Amino acid sequence: GAGVSQSPSNKVTEKGKDVELRCDPISGHTALYWYRQSLGQGLEFLIYFQGNSAPDKSGLPSDRFSAERTGGSVSTLTIQRTQQEDSAVYLCASSLESGGMGQPQHFGDGTRLSIL
Amino acid sequence: TQLLEQSPQFLSIQEGENLTVYCNSSSVFSSLQWYRQEPGEGPVLLVTVVTGGEVKKLKRLTFQFGDARKDSSLHITAAQPGDTGLYLCAGGKGAQKLVFGQGTRLTINP
Repeated sequence: GAGVSQSPSNKVTEKGKDVELRCDPISGHTALYWYRQSLGQGLEFLIYFQGNSAPDKSGLPSDRFSAERTGGSVSTLTIQRTQQEDSAVYLCASSLESGGMGQPQHFGDGTRLSIL
Repeated sequence: TQLLEQSPQFLSIQEGENLTVYCNSSSVFSSLQWYRQEPGEGPVLLVTVVTGGEVKKLKRLTFQFGDARKDSSLHITAAQPGDTGLYLCAGGKGAQKLVFGQGTRLTINP
């Protein structure tokens, strides 16, 4: 597809389980971003990748959260030992290059994660 | 620390009215972007402004970047129900990541 693809679109799991969220960026986009959005709120930055490297992991809320990117393309966000406060929509975005010089970020539709 | 403050956070008005949403910061940004998000979807870019004092128009939407590049506004003329959504501003600083505001949830009532 032409846009950013995220899977699954919805995930319901029990507290304490691990989850993996996947993001397929737009082909050729070198920068990839993960955000978390609570109901109706703004975007909370988690981590971003330039290629396969993650220059900024400052937004990861705890060591239960990790992310990787392989081949400069697909990225996986992993949450271990999930807690109820992890429930949110997790959004992925990609852009041609990283940085704030006006490069538009193209978003996927997110994964809605619900922890029971 | 919230670097970008949006106001109002919620706004509900009647069709045909005008409105302005503000995005303010004490920091200088090299660019400012506005996104619109509908339920169940990711944000979609509306506009990018990069020059202090810049004004861009997109049909009934007018975007302005402050002279000092610390603030921005979005003005909608003759609002329509289709304008309903969450509006997000995001500031960029050179090679650093974008910083998003907390959003303005706009409802236009028929």
